Amino acid sequence: DQQVKQNSPSLSVQEGRISILNCDYTNSMFDYFLWYKKYPAEGPTFLISISSIKDKNEDGRFTVFLNKSAKHLSLHIVPSQPGDSAVYFCAAAYTGTASKLTFGTGTRLQVTL
Amino acid sequence: ETGVTQSPTHLIKTRGQQVTLRCSSQSGHNTVSWYQQALGQGPQFIFQYYREEENGRGNFPPRFSGLQFPNYSSELNVNALELDDSALYLCASSWGDRRDEQFFGPGTRLTVL
Repeated sequence: DQQVKQNSPSLSVQEGRISILNCDYTNSMFDYFLWYKKYPAEGPTFLISISSIKDKNEDGRFTVFLNKSAKHLSLHIVPSQPGDSAVYFCAAAYTGTASKLTFGTGTRLQVTL
Repeated sequence: ETGVTQSPTHLIKTRGQQVTLRCSSQSGHNTVSWYQQALGQGPQFIFQYYREEENGRGNFPPRFSGLQFPNYSSELNVNALELDDSALYLCASSWGDRRDEQFFGPGTRLTVL
């Protein structure tokens, strides 16, 4: 039972363009969402998060959008840079479960020159 | 300030054996969470330890057990290894229930033959 889904295993974007990574969830109890970035041979690194009381959160080149009615969130990276090439995981949590995170399967982003 | 470290980096075991994986949390962190990442999947929550007590558990059988020490380092023990236990095991440390301030280690790659 995959409660957090990332349906695109991979994405290729040109440097300078926008990267859009998508994530869907099924559990309506989730009220906190996070994006992590993972390079090979390293652990995931926190990127940006959003609470369910918001529909948008920005941090520099990264913006996360949340559509609660559609149970969908997306991560926008503008402009994309070659150093952004990594695997991106969407994760979700809900109040009362400590910091237990439910992760999606990841999307591999390749930013080309 | 040192980050989260895990040992060993790689490990090969045979079916039925037992294994212990270790995690040193980031300085000042009192919470450790363990995740299993199978090939092509996102990390799956195994359990969490807060101040030496188990504080939440995912859908893993009892042969997965853990321990947290007074210095907040942690061990993950897996008994009666099965082939499906082959995965990357990640630990993450945080101060209390800080969902967006979990810092992951690089992981231990376990192969069960």
